[in-house]
Amino acid sequence: DGGITQSPKYLFRKEGQNVTLSCEQNLNHDAMYWYRQDPGQGLRLIYYSQIVNDFQKGDIAEGYSVSREKKESFPLTVTSAQKNPTAFYLCASSISSGGSNQPQHFGDGTRLSIL
Amino acid sequence: AQSVTQLGSHVSVSEGALVLLRCNYSSSVPPYLFWYVQYPNQGLQLLLKYTTGATLVKGINGFEAEFKKSETSFHLTKPSAHMSDAAEYFCAVSEDSGFQKLVFGTGTRLLVSP
Repeated sequence: DGGITQSPKYLFRKEGQNVTLSCEQNLNHDAMYWYRQDPGQGLRLIYYSQIVNDFQKGDIAEGYSVSREKKESFPLTVTSAQKNPTAFYLCASSISSGGSNQPQHFGDGTRLSIL
Repeated sequence: AQSVTQLGSHVSVSEGALVLLRCNYSSSVPPYLFWYVQYPNQGLQLLLKYTTGATLVKGINGFEAEFKKSETSFHLTKPSAHMSDAAEYFCAVSEDSGFQKLVFGTGTRLLVSP
């Protein structure tokens, strides 16, 4: 079945460490997204990518980095510069052509906690 | 700039009662509107979407929503709540900019009691 796989489901980070969250999709979607979810705040966009080797900052990109070397993969690195990284991280993808009326498909998320 | 307001962070209903979750949006151009559902520790699942055409949109699991341009609203309803409807619901808006950038509301948690 086609879908989006995020791993790991739970991740623990020590202070000062960088960690990388994996996101892989087999939907053949061009566009991919990373969101951060905090209780009572909904989803906030971290980074997005419309095509391979190109990505743009979202609303809360500080302390995060991404790469898009393959169409299927869009890993997110939470750097030590992110002072409050504890959150639920969601990856999504969508068909890029067809514009803004295409829905986004979501993975099951990674919950990141600080030790 | 687009924005979405969901009135009520929590809504409680009894099983079999009407479900009404409110969503108002702000957009400078005709919007595309979406409702998503999230079960605990899972991602978001699309319930329904409005793009153009008929203003009453039917989705999965018996949910529907009506786009009212004059009220800038897109409220989600279901005639009869089921225990399995207990989840968090998110309204989202995007504009026709050739690329989808969704703006989400803060979510409404639906509680269903027996």
